[in-house]
Amino acid sequence: KNEVEQSPQNLTAQEGEFITINCSYSVGISALHWLQQHPGGGIVSLFMLSSGKKKHGRLIATINIQEKHSSLHITASHPRDSAVYICAAFTSGTYKYIFGTGTRLKVLA
Amino acid sequence: KAGVTQTPRYLIKTRGQQVTLSCSPISGHRSVSWYQQTPGQGLQFLFEYFSETQRNKGNFPGRFSGRQFSNSRSEMNVSTLELGDSALYLCASSLAAGVAGELFFGEGSRLTVL
Repeated sequence: KNEVEQSPQNLTAQEGEFITINCSYSVGISALHWLQQHPGGGIVSLFMLSSGKKKHGRLIATINIQEKHSSLHITASHPRDSAVYICAAFTSGTYKYIFGTGTRLKVLA
Repeated sequence: KAGVTQTPRYLIKTRGQQVTLSCSPISGHRSVSWYQQTPGQGLQFLFEYFSETQRNKGNFPGRFSGRQFSNSRSEMNVSTLELGDSALYLCASSLAAGVAGELFFGEGSRLTVL
């Protein structure tokens, strides 16, 4: 079992839909990142969370430290949101990033 | 402010050869970390450098090595290439090492081993 699990692996949505991507982890962490990767490879860090909730535009990220779970929400999804979304947990013991396997999102116009 | 620059962007090598990849971090960032991304294993941490010292490393064989220069630019080297080394190699820069901080990734170097 991976130490960082994401679901779903693939997601297709219609433009305008509300999207949720989930990330669960089994290790102790000091922070969790949500990353976005577009075709071609470049990765952008969307959020870094250690507690609570953050919002940026149509994107919302939450984390529950006790339940070891984080979610990324996209409101009013748009085709330009089509990308792979990856959660990355920064472990508190070994100070390394462990990555989820990614969620491939496709938003149809 | 210039972003993280990785060179080369694409390269093709044959088994047994060695390869060197370069990463120039954002100005003022002293930490550079390297990652390997493959379809099967996803993103995996290779190593992290700060102030010319390797501060942390992942679970990769000794064929994978790196270094960091006084201007914070970093290189990674893979010797005796194997087919399984075909991957996207990404570097990220941040202000500090050993703490969770905002990461800035380069576009990656895509290595194909034939």
